[in-house]
Amino acid sequence: DAKTTQPPSMDCAEGRAANLPCNHSTISGNEYVYWYRQIHSQGPQYIIHGLKNNETNEMASLIITEDRKSSTLILPHATLRDTAVYYCIVRVAGNQFYFGTGTSLTVIP
Amino acid sequence: DAGVTQSPTHLIKTRGQQVTLRCSPKSGHDTVSWYQQALGQGPQFIFQYYEEEERQRGNFPDRFSGHQFPNYSSELNVNALLLGDSALYLCASSLVSRLDTQYFGPGTRLTVL
Repeated sequence: DAKTTQPPSMDCAEGRAANLPCNHSTISGNEYVYWYRQIHSQGPQYIIHGLKNNETNEMASLIITEDRKSSTLILPHATLRDTAVYYCIVRVAGNQFYFGTGTSLTVIP
Repeated sequence: DAGVTQSPTHLIKTRGQQVTLRCSPKSGHDTVSWYQQALGQGPQFIFQYYEEEERQRGNFPDRFSGHQFPNYSSELNVNALLLGDSALYLCASSLVSRLDTQYFGPGTRLTVL
């Protein structure tokens, strides 16, 4: 599975959109991009995943560049409860998840 | 509908001892994966069980073993504990047909002294 690079930390004002970037320049055609988050002292929580098209669900939007070498997770209206570590994972379907160290997002009141 | 449950919540052991951690998957799920999360790090995949057999394994020594029961619950066993085994152990369940969405339990915090 391809390696991902994420900034170690980010801040976002409450109510504003949080845009979390992820680089995966070695991604191959059959690898999906997944996002999970981990709120302190809890297990990781699935957010969203995609292959090449942009995806949206009730939690977030996932924007994947046309060359698929990077993606952005968008939380449209961040709340204090969105403070967490966000993991971007690239993986072939059926393989296991390999988490990096993620981005620690702090939502500021 | 109960989510993934793990027991115990916390555990303290000494070096050389053995430990067993338990996991009950989300209702309807048939696959259980185990992860180790050291402080400040992301979870690392240990192994996955389906149909009572280990299907995939990460880069962990044989001291780490597991089991899955007919009711899909699972155990993680660690023998000859080392100080470096101190971590949060997470269990995740899924359907074998939907491995992309895994549901994680709250974890068991193991401290080895």
